[in-house]
Amino acid sequence: DAKTTQPPSMDCAEGRAANLPCNHSTISGNEYVYWYRQIHSQGPQYIIHGLKNNETNEMASLIITEDRKSSTLILPHATLRDTAVYYCIVRVVRTNAGKSTFGDGTTLTVKP
Amino acid sequence: NAGVTQTPKFRILKIGQSMTLQCAQDMNHNYMYWYRQDPGMGLKLIYYSVGAGITDKGEVPNGYNVSRSTTEYFPLRLELAAPSQTSVYFCASSYGSSGGNTIYFGEGSWLTVV
Repeated sequence: DAKTTQPPSMDCAEGRAANLPCNHSTISGNEYVYWYRQIHSQGPQYIIHGLKNNETNEMASLIITEDRKSSTLILPHATLRDTAVYYCIVRVVRTNAGKSTFGDGTTLTVKP
Repeated sequence: NAGVTQTPKFRILKIGQSMTLQCAQDMNHNYMYWYRQDPGMGLKLIYYSVGAGITDKGEVPNGYNVSRSTTEYFPLRLELAAPSQTSVYFCASSYGSSGGNTIYFGEGSWLTVV
């Protein structure tokens, strides 16, 4: 299974862009990259996902390198409410299997 | 719009007791999952199910059992509770296993074993 590596913590100033990196060097061609976040031990919340192309939605942008070995989640204008743990995961796809494993994520602290 | 519902939200167990964490989803999802999260740590997959009648172990299955008799329900059974099982438990579901299917999480069940 492809694993991901994220820095344990990052800080960001309020109003600035938060760029969260993720390494997934063993990703396979048919595996997507997903980002979730978890605020105050609530259930993780979906943010965005992508396969090859860069993606953008109302919450964030996802930049995936051409070789797909790493990606960056961008929160364009971070607010204090974006303080959370951010998880980058790779969705494993195998016949009759659907498990998805999470790592320890990156704790993002947005500071005033 | 219920999504994934977990009960109970909080529970205290004594060592050696047993209990079942309930999980229900109303999205007709085929895949369901149980994760645990220890304080300050990430999520660890306990068990998952790809459909009614089919379950499989995740990363940390010891001390737990699951069943999936219907699409909607995926209970997690703790037998002979131990302090090491003190954790927050999250149930989740997704429509399929492919990378294009988002996982939806419940709000969590806080379990303390004393």
